[in-house]
Amino acid sequence: DTAVSQTPKYLVTQMGNDKSIKCEQNLGHDTMYWYKQDSKKFLKIMFSYNNKELIINETVPNRFSPKSPDKAHLNLHINSLELGDSAVYFCASSQDRPHTQYFGPGTRLTVL
Amino acid sequence: RKEVEQDPGPFNVPEGATVAFNCTYSNSASQSFFWYRQDCRKEPKLLMSVYSSGNEDGRFTAQLNRASQYISLLIRDSKLSDSATYLCVADSSYKLIFGSGTRLLVRP
Repeated sequence: DTAVSQTPKYLVTQMGNDKSIKCEQNLGHDTMYWYKQDSKKFLKIMFSYNNKELIINETVPNRFSPKSPDKAHLNLHINSLELGDSAVYFCASSQDRPHTQYFGPGTRLTVL
Repeated sequence: RKEVEQDPGPFNVPEGATVAFNCTYSNSASQSFFWYRQDCRKEPKLLMSVYSSGNEDGRFTAQLNRASQYISLLIRDSKLSDSATYLCVADSSYKLIFGSGTRLLVRP
């Protein structure tokens, strides 16, 4: 059973489109995260939710909007996609923060 | 200055070699430290936590030097399967800060 899952695994889309990425964890963790890993492999946190409450909101364009319907799910919606949004987006979860985090397989987003 | 800095490598070593990576962190208030491993086109996976007294897990030994604010990872008897990128991680303000990784290539 996959502990942290993301869909889709690959996403290719045109500039200006709106897209969503979904994440689910079955570890019973309280905290979930979204990270962006760019072409230079630098992994940077974007958002974190603890029990459905937003606790970390880094300097991210407001075109990115996370949503946590329950503590097992954290989705990421991106409006008006830009070329610079191309990256791999990882979801992660942990029990309490900032303890050991478990990552999903990633969503490779390509904006054309 | 980046909060967590690592030599990007690559470190190219023969099988059976011992290799060491260092990383430095800038936040003296950091309390939790980890090494993660990331294979090509895969997600980061926890390799080991790093404790103040140093800790060992099989062929892997992690050390923490708080005075100098650096963390090290020693890999003994390298295997081909150890080829990956190793990410140094420190906590800062309730979040984990990842270094950009050190790439290791183990050759036959």
